[in-house]
Amino acid sequence: GDSVTQMEGPVTLSEEAFLTINCTYTATGYPSLFWYVQYPGEGLQLLLKATKADDKGSNKGFEATYRKETTSFHLEKGSVQVSDSAVYFCALTRGAQKLVFGQGTRLTINP
Amino acid sequence: GAVVSQHPSRVICKSGTSVKIECRSLDFQATTMFWYRQFPKQSLMLMATSNEGSKATYEQGVEKDKFLINHASLTLSTLTVTSAHPEDSSFYICSARDPSIAGVYEQYFGPGTRLTVT
Repeated sequence: GDSVTQMEGPVTLSEEAFLTINCTYTATGYPSLFWYVQYPGEGLQLLLKATKADDKGSNKGFEATYRKETTSFHLEKGSVQVSDSAVYFCALTRGAQKLVFGQGTRLTINP
Repeated sequence: GAVVSQHPSRVICKSGTSVKIECRSLDFQATTMFWYRQFPKQSLMLMATSNEGSKATYEQGVEKDKFLINHASLTLSTLTVTSAHPEDSSFYICSARDPSIAGVYEQYFGPGTRLTVT
């Protein structure tokens, strides 16, 4: 079945550091890929998405590129802020089927 | 746009009682809503898919009689935890898909409901 694997956390960085959170997937066909962010005590917010190969999703300084050849959708940000501290979930869906989530990566940014 | 609300945000109930959680799509009509459960520091576990006007589809291992789901309108789905026990304490999150946007399949999530059963 479909699956998503994220790099294990927690990840701790200093402010202004470069961030990469790895995400790889297994799925048949052409899934849509997403990054969601969850702040403490809250639900999930869509951070960015990509629906076809080579698409780049971007939002709030975060970027991720849909790489079909490596089945990856790594999340990057050039300079993180304390306010980026949260849990990040990579997810996929094929058409109107259910979302499949990775296990989540907890990110802490220290000032 | 694409806002989903949940009510209540927190609820404490006694063991053996039932509690209802509401999920509303505020600015779109959601033919499909989803209910998730999240344990501390873990990912989301899909409990069921709720389709307006029909019975919910439950994931394997989720007790249908314990977690009653009703999706009576295009903007409201409810999850009722019946005869709650302390092990039902968890963070429950709903989501909805906006079918009016062709080819777009992301889900919009509610803020979650923290259930504590004492």
